[in-house]
Amino acid sequence: TQLLEQSPQFLSIQEGENLTVYCNSSSVFSSLQWYRQEPGEGPVLLVTVVTGGEVKKLKRLTFQFGDARKDSSLHITAAQPGDTGLYLCAGALVTGNQFYFGTGTSLTVIP
Amino acid sequence: GAGVSQSPSNKVTEKGKDVELRCDPISGHTALYWYRQRLGQGLEFLIYFQGNSAPDKSGLPSDRFSAERTGESVSTLTIQRTQQEDSAVYLCASSQQPNTEAFFGQGTRLTVV
Repeated sequence: TQLLEQSPQFLSIQEGENLTVYCNSSSVFSSLQWYRQEPGEGPVLLVTVVTGGEVKKLKRLTFQFGDARKDSSLHITAAQPGDTGLYLCAGALVTGNQFYFGTGTSLTVIP
Repeated sequence: GAGVSQSPSNKVTEKGKDVELRCDPISGHTALYWYRQRLGQGLEFLIYFQGNSAPDKSGLPSDRFSAERTGESVSTLTIQRTQQEDSAVYLCASSQQPNTEAFFGQGTRLTVV
């Protein structure tokens, strides 16, 4: 079973639209990261959230960590074709030392 | 080095041959991870190193897969008697300590023909 479930798995939207990607778990994480992966590249870290309820903004991207530290969301405002890629959440359990990656959300922004 | 380096970047091999994939992590990073990514899919965990030890190798898909790390630095993932289903991108990542942000290499694209 997958520890971190992402939804939706695939998303295709028009340029200028807003979207939200969700990362959910029944486990508690000490921190959670979001990565973006472009074709032919390794994933690149976008943000780390640590505190329950924390909100971080990175230009048009807004990341939120759930109050109970079991889930997170990524909201993109006015999506652009350059946002196209695979978005991955990842986290470290409170009780462990290993990263767990989510199932991934493949985003396509159509010009 | 400045980032995580993997070699080779591409490898085409014949079914049944053995292959070795190399990962040079960021200097000083104690944790190292190997993942497999099939086309259009997410990351599949293979193995995690803390120093030269592998506390979790539960993701290795079969006994044809093995990995080692030496000098708390370079890691090698070996696939013996490769099969076509082994074709994928193999990604390596390192982090300064367990539970901190992971930084990825570009991956090795393995094609078994």
